[in-house]
Amino acid sequence: NAGVIQTPRHKVTGKGQEATLWCEPISGHSAVFWYRQTIVQGLEFLTYFRNQAPIDDSGMPKERFSAQMPNQSHSTLKIQSTQPQDSAVYLCASSSGTGPYEQYFGPGTRLTVL
Amino acid sequence: GEQVEQRPPHLSVREGDSAVIICTYTDPNSYYFFWYKQEPGAGLQLLMKVFSSTEINEGQGFTVLLNKKDKQLSLNLTAAHPGDSAVYFCAVRRTSSGSWQLIFGSGTQLTVMP
Repeated sequence: NAGVIQTPRHKVTGKGQEATLWCEPISGHSAVFWYRQTIVQGLEFLTYFRNQAPIDDSGMPKERFSAQMPNQSHSTLKIQSTQPQDSAVYLCASSSGTGPYEQYFGPGTRLTVL
Repeated sequence: GEQVEQRPPHLSVREGDSAVIICTYTDPNSYYFFWYKQEPGAGLQLLMKVFSSTEINEGQGFTVLLNKKDKQLSLNLTAAHPGDSAVYFCAVRRTSSGSWQLIFGSGTQLTVMP
């Protein structure tokens, strides 16, 4: 079991560029979550999918951020026109969707916007 | 909505000493609770899951206590060793809204000195 895989581990973009972050959940897990971690705000929920359907995007900034899950083996988080305040570690997690619903996290993608 | 306060933000102990981290949550209907450990440059490692029906859980070298009356969750590391040095987060799964998102505490940086 490789755990949750996130690529790239580090990404540097210039202000105004687009960034796409990838997540491969644990095989067989039905739910995928995206969180953002910063020193100031801590760990913030962004959005999640269950059985590939978007369920709750209440934490997503209304502009420039979008997430998709085109198939059960990967999800993407896209940030358009990146701004310095988007710099953060973006964490993906997956859950089996049964029992206590514990979430298993990937190593994160550190996004730096210059 | 649910809020989670975690204290202390920093904790420094000697090897062999105990260390206690406490989280206080606000939603009395919260049901699922989790402790995660984060080492530098890594994602969140699930340490323990606690349900409303369980008050005390024990793991390898630590004990988790859930006090539903006071809405407190605590992590007690017994006989800490340098390998325990990391940031610890508590997390609560919101149940009142039906969402599976986790609400995290602000984290505790634990340093265990030899």
